[in-house]
Amino acid sequence: KAGVTQTPRYLIKTRGQQVTLSCSPISGHRSVSWYQQTPGQGLQFLFEYFSETQRNKGNFPGRFSGRQFSNSRSEMNVSTLELGDSALYLCASREEGSNTEAFFGQGTRLTVV
Amino acid sequence: AQTVTQSQPEMSVQEAETVTLSCTYDTSESDYYLFWYKQPPSRQMILVIRQEAYKQQNATENRFSVNFQKAAKSFSLKISDSQLGDAAMYFCAYDVFSGTYKYIFGTGTRLKVLA
Repeated sequence: KAGVTQTPRYLIKTRGQQVTLSCSPISGHRSVSWYQQTPGQGLQFLFEYFSETQRNKGNFPGRFSGRQFSNSRSEMNVSTLELGDSALYLCASREEGSNTEAFFGQGTRLTVV
Repeated sequence: AQTVTQSQPEMSVQEAETVTLSCTYDTSESDYYLFWYKQPPSRQMILVIRQEAYKQQNATENRFSVNFQKAAKSFSLKISDSQLGDAAMYFCAYDVFSGTYKYIFGTGTRLKVLA
């Protein structure tokens, strides 16, 4: 099976712009989660989607949003970018079931200038 | 609220030696899962080892083993016969399924392996 694929790998945006990141989960995985990783805050949970529904959301402003499609692929969007949004954004997928672990993609490195 | 604490920002170990990375957590749940993930410079998080809280036996995966002390809420990772490829950031993560999946991560420990 192919692993979790995130595109693009690197992105440079200007303050005030908006950005969309994409995540393709492992085939058969219906849960997709997003995490933001920064040197100061570490790894923080953004949101989780399952079968096109957002099941949980972390403590992030409304500028951060996401969605999931019927093929389980997920996108996250950040509007009105701020310098502090510069981070590594990681996507993880997993099978439904209590005894499963998350598989991560290689992340998208977003730099806001 | 659940929290995960890794008190060692950085550790060093000689090649072929053994090193232990510490992790403590706080939770009121009785059934949960704990993980150690490795993040090399490639940035991809790779699962190292997993422990189910209801299992008393400590998990082992080749050179990696854990010391799980449920009462003390401690979950340390032991790496035996350290190799240069073990150099990475190591994150301890807590997970409990409550209708949703959400890892709580520690701040990480950077492991350096000295030749």
